[in-house]
Order: sequence, then structure tokens, then C-alpha cells
Amino acid sequence: GDSVTQMEGPVTLSEEAFLTINCTYTATGYPSLFWYVQYPGEGLQLLLKATKADDKGSNKGFEATYRKETTSFHLEKGSVQVSDSAVYFCALSPTGNQFYFGTGTSLTVIP
Amino acid sequence: DAGVIQSPRHEVTEMGQEVTLRCKPISGHNSLFWYRQTMMRGLELLIYFNNNVPIDDSGMPEDRFSAKMPNASFSTLKIQPSEPRDSAVYFCASSFKSPGNTIYFGEGSWLTVV
Repeated sequence: GDSVTQMEGPVTLSEEAFLTINCTYTATGYPSLFWYVQYPGEGLQLLLKATKADDKGSNKGFEATYRKETTSFHLEKGSVQVSDSAVYFCALSPTGNQFYFGTGTSLTVIP
Repeated sequence: DAGVIQSPRHEVTEMGQEVTLRCKPISGHNSLFWYRQTMMRGLELLIYFNNNVPIDDSGMPEDRFSAKMPNASFSTLKIQPSEPRDSAVYFCASSFKSPGNTIYFGEGSWLTVV
């Protein structure tokens, strides 16, 4: 069945470090791919998305490229800030009806 | 446009009591989802509706849990009787069923059963 696998956390980085959070997926067809972010005490918010192969989603300095050949959608940011500390979820949607979420990766950025 | 609205935001109740969580999806959305989030199990899909009809309730833990969507703008998740292991954050989310569309989450209902 359809699923996503993302790297386990927690991840701790110093401010201005480079961030990569790996996400790979299993799906039939051509799903849409998403990254969501959850700040403490809040719901999940869309960070970025890509709907077809080779698309790059980007927002707030984060980016991820839909790689069909490697079934991946890794999240990257060149220079993290303390305010980026949150839990990040990779997700896919095969048809726009069902959504499959990864287990989440906790990121802590220290000054 | 208002997002997904959930109530109550926080609830503390005693074991055995009935709990009702409420959700108003984003206007125009035709799919509604209930999720539960705990440290141990992460984010779990409990049930989802399409056009007010339950499509998949395989994630509902047991008969103590029930969900309804009487119209396009309102849904409830009920736990009766509640147990301490039901303590979690319950999220409602909605989307418009179309490839590439996004799911939007509410702020969650933080439930503690003592």
C-alpha cells in the first residue's frame, strides 16, 4: 500500500547549520507529496508541496524536490534558525482523497 | 477565510464520562478527517468522510468511539465511555477532494482523561 518513510529523530542542529530530513515513499501512480510542520501546541501546517515528478516545492527557505527515480522527497534548508524548531511530517496523497503521513521528525535548533 | 475550527481546545474529564469533540471544516471542502496524535503512536487516522459519508473508519479504535457528519459544515467525534488511554490530541482536518489538493488541520482538541 501507499506509505512514506522519514528519517527518525530527534535532530539537533546549531543555528545556521544545513538541514536535511529524508523522506521516501511507496505509491502506485503519481501521488502528490507534502511536507507539513507542527510547532509546539499547534496543528500541522502545510510547509510545501509538489504534485509531479521533478517539481520543487519551496517555502520559508525550505525546499524539496519530487524525485520519482529514487521515490524521494527530502526536505532541505541551507541555514536553520531557532524558530525552525518543530516536528516535520512528510506526506503523500495518491488521489487527493486519502493522505498518508510519516512518523514525524523532531528538529531542535540551538543558538 | 477561517480555517478548520475545533472545540473544545482543551478538555479534562473523568474516566467513564462521555466526551464530544466538534469540528467545522473549511467552507467548500468535501472531505473531513479525524486524527489522533500521541507520543507513543504518532499521528493516526481514525476516520474520514467524503461528502458527509464515512468512507473509512478502520482506524477507529473500538466501539467506544463514534463519529458523525450530519452536514457539510459540522462533524463530531464522541467517546463513550472515556478511558485514560484515550488521552491524546485529536485533530480534525479537511480538504477538497482533487489530485494535488492540500489537507488543512485544525488546532486540535487536547483531551485528558483522569
